[in-house]
Amino acid sequence: DQQVKQNSPSLSVQEGRISILNCDYTNSMFDYFLWYKKYPAEGPTFLISISSIKDKNEDGRFTVFLNKSAKHLSLHIVPSQPGDSAVYFCAASAWGGSNYKLTFGKGTLLTVNP
Amino acid sequence: DSGVTQTPKHLITATGQRVTLRCSPRSGDLSVYWYQQSLDQGLQFLIQYYNGEERAKGNILERFSAQQFPDLHSELNLSSLELGDSALYFCASSVGTGGYNEQFFGPGTRLTVL
Repeated sequence: DQQVKQNSPSLSVQEGRISILNCDYTNSMFDYFLWYKKYPAEGPTFLISISSIKDKNEDGRFTVFLNKSAKHLSLHIVPSQPGDSAVYFCAASAWGGSNYKLTFGKGTLLTVNP
Repeated sequence: DSGVTQTPKHLITATGQRVTLRCSPRSGDLSVYWYQQSLDQGLQFLIQYYNGEERAKGNILERFSAQQFPDLHSELNLSSLELGDSALYFCASSVGTGGYNEQFFGPGTRLTVL
């Protein structure tokens, strides 16, 4: 049972345009959400996060929106740059009885074309 | 550079064998996490250690085990290897163990089982 779903395996956008990456979740106990970016041959790196008490968090060109009623979050990148081309993982955190656990989606490959 | 180191970078072995993957966390981080990323799969959480003690278990097979040593480095042992164990194995570390603690990932160990 996949609790965090990224339904688009890939996304291609033009440089300067907006990139929107989507993520859906099923577990209503998730209370913290994160986006990680991964380049080939490297480990994932933290990008931006949002607490369940907020509906928006912004950091420079990156904005994450959370819609709790729809159990949906999205990452907006404006404007997109070729260096943003990477795999983006959505992750969610919930108390697992003895500890917090991160559950990751399968990732979306973003390609930004010059 | 996340500050998390993993060795070796690549490992090629045969079915039935046993291997050990090593991880050194960032300086000051007490938590170590292990993840598996198979082809077309997201990051699957395997196990977490905090200050030498097991904290949380995910989808870790019985053939796999891990430990965290007094100097906080961790090892993931994979035994009776099968073809399906071929994957990228990531180690991550964080300061604490709460869900709001950002995890820093190492570059991964690519395991190929022939």
